[in-house]
Amino acid sequence: VMAQSPATLSVSPGERATLSCRASQSVGGNLAWYQQKPGQAPRLLIYDASTRAPGIPAKFSGRGSGTEFSLTISSLQSEDFAVYYCQQYNNWPRTFGQGSKVEIK
Amino acid sequence: EVQLVESGGGLVEFGGSLRLSCAASGFTFNNYAMSWVRQAPGKGLEWVSIISDRGGWTFYAESVKGRFTISRDNFQNTLNLHMNSLRAEDTAIYYCATGISNNGNFYYDYWGLGTLVTVSS
Repeated sequence: VMAQSPATLSVSPGERATLSCRASQSVGGNLAWYQQKPGQAPRLLIYDASTRAPGIPAKFSGRGSGTEFSLTISSLQSEDFAVYYCQQYNNWPRTFGQGSKVEIK
Repeated sequence: EVQLVESGGGLVEFGGSLRLSCAASGFTFNNYAMSWVRQAPGKGLEWVSIISDRGGWTFYAESVKGRFTISRDNFQNTLNLHMNSLRAEDTAIYYCATGISNNGNFYYDYWGLGTLVTVSS
């Protein structure tokens, strides 16, 4: 089970947001983060816990290992307000967290 | 350009069956595992199933095991999901996804636009 927190985070433009993802058992470094906007498919942001996917700006950073992970988005802009999901790929079945919504304060 | 295009969604009655397809292009299809991920209306992402590059192994979420069957046609570059005994909780957008950067087994860098399945009770 992947548990994300908070469920919703209200942030002012220009501020930083930090999201958490906790695994019920160790997933090593095998964790990805996705961004999803309304009406769109998810977009891969981070894989292997901390590696940015091609084309993803440096404002997105991931860290963690084992059971505790975080995604930090620095200097939020309008295009960053979305829902973010973590996904573990260490164990079967693959599982996603329930998502964290980052909304404009 | 990698493209994944799902089809086959629609309205089906409780207990009915449906087959979803995903047409893949822009990459060597038979080199990559392929997956289905779904999203119920207003809810989060739920991993559904995966099939290996040559179809030799599959995995399923507990919620669909025994009711859904994933398959692929490496000549037609098509991924399928056969869904039986459909329930209201199967109502969702179904996405086809793969990981071109990691042979498809792990995380997903390419997604289709999804196809909506609605199960009526």
